[in-house]
Amino acid sequence: DTGVSQDPRHKITKRGQNVTFRCDPISEHNRLYWYRQTLGQGPEFLTYFQNEAQLEKSRLLSDRFSAERPKGSFSTLEIQRTEQGDSAMYLCASSFTQGRNNSPLHFGNGTRLTVT
Amino acid sequence: DAKTTQPNSMESNEEEPVHLPCNHSTISGTDYIHWYRQLPSQGPEYVIHGLTSNVNNRMASLAIAEDRKSSTLILHRATLRDAAVYYCILNTGRRALTFGSGTRLQVQP
Repeated sequence: DTGVSQDPRHKITKRGQNVTFRCDPISEHNRLYWYRQTLGQGPEFLTYFQNEAQLEKSRLLSDRFSAERPKGSFSTLEIQRTEQGDSAMYLCASSFTQGRNNSPLHFGNGTRLTVT
Repeated sequence: DAKTTQPNSMESNEEEPVHLPCNHSTISGTDYIHWYRQLPSQGPEYVIHGLTSNVNNRMASLAIAEDRKSSTLILHRATLRDAAVYYCILNTGRRALTFGSGTRLQVQP
């Protein structure tokens, strides 16, 4: 078990550019979550997948954001036309969940995005 | 969704027990109580969870009130490494976890 890994750890980009982040969940975890966290706040939910299917999206996920999880393994989160307000830590988590069991989430250490 | 209420911050001395409270008066019968903590520059880390009975693991203990409207995370002997933000979250099993602002725990040597 190598844990949830995220790449890159840090990204600095200019306003208007597109960025893409990758998350590799713990193998055999069927659920994958994306959260965003700004300084001094708790993580805010963005979206989650069960296998390949995107089951829930937050209202925070504007049209400029898109997430994919092809083949139910790794996931990517793309932000188009970045804005300074997108600067945040983007966290990925995974879990193995069947029915309504309460498996804990395992988080990666995040990708810190700075938009200049 | 049921919400939780936690103090913004707490202080403790090293090697003393710490009791972190959480109120969740609108909890429903099937909601689990989860606790996570977040150390600086890291993602949140699962600590413990429970439904009705008190729970113990190697990291902490979780004491759940009989009416389930509150719970307490207990760190038996705080260390400097326990300084973190602690989040109390209700897990409905139907939706993704919703984090609040948590309790920032400071541990004094």
